[in-house]
Amino acid sequence: QLQLQESGPGLVKPSETLSLTCTVSGGSISSSSYYWGWIRQPPGKGLEWIGSIYYSGSTYYNPSLKSRVTISVDTSKNQFSLKLSSVTAADTAVYYCARHVREVLTLRIFFDYWGQGTLVTVSS
Amino acid sequence: DIQMTQSPSSLSASVGDRVTITCRASQSISSYLNWYQQKPGKAPKLLIYAASSLQSGVPSRFSGSGSGTDFTLTISSLQPEDFATYYCQQSYSTSSTFGPGTKVDIK
Repeated sequence: QLQLQESGPGLVKPSETLSLTCTVSGGSISSSSYYWGWIRQPPGKGLEWIGSIYYSGSTYYNPSLKSRVTISVDTSKNQFSLKLSSVTAADTAVYYCARHVREVLTLRIFFDYWGQGTLVTVSS
Repeated sequence: DIQMTQSPSSLSASVGDRVTITCRASQSISSYLNWYQQKPGKAPKLLIYAASSLQSGVPSRFSGSGSGTDFTLTISSLQPEDFATYYCQQSYSTSSTFGPGTKVDIK
């Protein structure tokens, strides 16, 4: 059974960089069928897709966050990571990593396996 | 960006009720529409993809329909474990967006 687990600091100071890692177990991050994504959810609010990465390193990001986001992959560790720079209180959220199925021609584009989420608070 | 709206934002229903949630896209998204269920403190769970395809393991009381800009999620007979928040998500654009959610609680 595929499992994803987020890890990283739960508290980040304003203007600093938020860094999280997602460890994938029970399957290979190098599978040609999948991208790997980050989604966040501010407390009491809705879901926002941040960006996704392919095992080759190809990425695409939410345009509203693109200038501050970097997603990278380490296939040797079966991990992918998120960096969000210049954070403010508005970046306080539960951050989820997820497997991103992207089979465009068959309409199968969705997030099917999710981590449990990790709360990151931006505060001094 | 493609904007997604949902209605209602919340509803109260009883066990056994038929529940319908609507999702609307700001432009045509063909059938690139997914539905998720989220319970408090948990990650979202995929229910429906491609507007009407049931994800493996999801009970058949859940169904989806629609194409273009208007979509619906129907729960044919609400069960106690279905009280949750439901989100639609468009995957037509590479910049995926979610609807604001519909909270289903107990009447």
